[in-house]
Amino acid sequence: AQSVTQLDSHVSVSEGTPVLLRCNYSSSYSPSLFWYVQHPNKGLQLLLKYTSAATLVKGINGFEAEFKKSETSFHLTKPSAHMSDAAEYFCVVSPRGGSYIPTFGRGTSLIVHP
Amino acid sequence: GAGVSQSPRYKVAKRGQDVALRCDPISGHVSLFWYQQALGQGPEFLTYFQNEAQLDKSGLPSDRFFAERPEGSVSTLKIQRTQQEDSAVYLCASSLTGRSKELIYGYTFGSGTRLTVV
Repeated sequence: AQSVTQLDSHVSVSEGTPVLLRCNYSSSYSPSLFWYVQHPNKGLQLLLKYTSAATLVKGINGFEAEFKKSETSFHLTKPSAHMSDAAEYFCVVSPRGGSYIPTFGRGTSLIVHP
Repeated sequence: GAGVSQSPRYKVAKRGQDVALRCDPISGHVSLFWYQQALGQGPEFLTYFQNEAQLDKSGLPSDRFFAERPEGSVSTLKIQRTQQEDSAVYLCASSLTGRSKELIYGYTFGSGTRLTVV
């Protein structure tokens, strides 16, 4: 069994300030972890993924995430928010093996103020 | 094509009508997934195919929902006798698994079909 908890339904930041979107997971197997972004009326776009290599993962648009097994966390960060980052962000876990069926968190809405 | 293609992009159905939603995955992608995303929620798993075999349909909410992928490429999600609670965005994703069982590139999602039942 696997599950994902995104701790904040909304995060509000000012442009140019750091972004932190929190994600905790549980999985019966060693997981693969992903962050996806969804802009309004757009499809889901992969930001970054962790499979089994480096625990600090760099993604597109300056985002990165760190896999911390001891804390079962995979928080998403960005040093400086841009207005175009405003969107819905989903943390996703899938088992490494078997069906690979991914499970989504409920999402975090990132609001960026000018 | 380069991505996952879903059609139609929008569908309005009268309650009780049957609908069929199409997903054209990336060529060569073995795995195909269907998700339902209600307004303001995260995507919820519906069903999973590996090639033409439907290996998991545990997320289908009722027997009104049926999915198929007869030749291991294009998939169709059919909803019979639609009801208002079926209104949602239906997402399709495909993925490719390498020899080491690792996912390659992650999951690629289509833009979805927004179904509105009136």
